[in-house]
Formats: sequence, structure tokens, C-alpha cells
Amino acid sequence: EAQVTQNPRYLITVTGKKLTVTCSQNMNHEYMSWYRQDPGLGLRQIYYSMNVEVTDKGDVPEGYKVSRKEKRNFPLILESPSPNQTSLYFCASRNRWQSRHGYTFGSGTRLTVV
Amino acid sequence: DQQVKQNSPSLSVQEGRISILNCDYTNSMFDYFLWYKKYPAEGPTFLISISSIKDKNEDGRFTVFLNKSAKHLSLHIVPSQPGDSAVYFCAASGINFGNEKLTFGTGTRLTIIP
Repeated sequence: EAQVTQNPRYLITVTGKKLTVTCSQNMNHEYMSWYRQDPGLGLRQIYYSMNVEVTDKGDVPEGYKVSRKEKRNFPLILESPSPNQTSLYFCASRNRWQSRHGYTFGSGTRLTVV
Repeated sequence: DQQVKQNSPSLSVQEGRISILNCDYTNSMFDYFLWYKKYPAEGPTFLISISSIKDKNEDGRFTVFLNKSAKHLSLHIVPSQPGDSAVYFCAASGINFGNEKLTFGTGTRLTIIP
């Protein structure tokens, strides 16, 4: 089944403890992206990648890192999480030849930082 | 500054009637618009899109209208079905921003009443 898989689905952590949210897609997509969803703010783009070793900042990149060493994986790294990073996170991918922005989204990771 | 706005947080419509979801944008550089649908505990699903060179795009029960002069787009669902109950996000992008920068609205929760 073609899908974007995020892990974990739920995570509670403490301030300052480094964490990684993994994202993997099995569709051989070139483009991948991370979003966070917050009440009243909709979905905001954190980082995106247009191919292996090619990443760029979205609208809210502060406090996050990403890497794209392999085409299928696009992990989101929080080096020192803070409570304002408590949010619902989505990873998404698409084929570069699809209609622009027809992204396939993962099911989300709900992160709580205490 | 919210560049893409969905001013109605919620909307209730009788089954079989037309649902109209609205979206306004402020940035005249946006040239491509999309609608996504989201069920609870799932990621958003791409629904329909429209380029700024068109004023209408239709796909089955879903039609998106774009009024560039008013910086307004709307999604029409006819006839509405119970399975359409979800949160709908509009999103916009501009070629000058880079192809993968998407700006989302805050979403409208649509409830179809049987």
C-alpha cells in the first residue's frame, strides 16, 4: 500500500530532551515536507526537501532540523524541544511529476513537550 | 499575518444540499490554490486544485471557483453526503515563492446533517 509512515504517533517528552520524529514513504517520491498544525493557525510548513541532500526552510523552521540522506526518509529533529513545540506534526510527500502540491500526508504525530 | 483566511470555523449543511466553503487570500502573488480534506486522526487528503489562469475547476461533486479580483475562492460540494463531514483546508502557493511553499488556511469544520 502506498503510504507515508510517521513514528511515533504520540509522544510526550520533557523540555530540552532531543527527539526525532521519523517519516518514511514507499512511493519513490522526490518531494517531502513537514508541517505542524495548531489551533487557530492551520497547517504551517516547517521544512521541505526536493530531493536527496536538498532541503529548505518553510515558514516556521526555528527549533527544527531535517535531513534527507535517502529518498524514502525525511526525519524531523528537535535538538532541544520547548513547550511551544507542542503540536500535531504531519509529514507529506509527492512525485515531482504530479499536479503541483498533490501531497500524500502521513497520519500525524502528536507531540507534547512538558 | 494570515495570508490565507477561512473565516468560518464551522458549517452545518443538510444532506443532499449544497455545501459552500469559502477562502480569502491577501497575497496577489499566489497563483495556485488547493483544497484538502481532513478526517480526525488522519492526515489531510488532497481534494481539488485550481490554477490562477482558470476561474473554475470541477471534479465530480466538487467544484472550486476562483475570483482573482476579489482574492476569493470557494469550494462547492453538491450534493452533500454524510461522508463529507470533515475539516477542509484551503491552501495557496506562488511560483515566485518556490514550488513547494504552501500556505494553508485555518480550516472549516463541515458537518453534514442526515
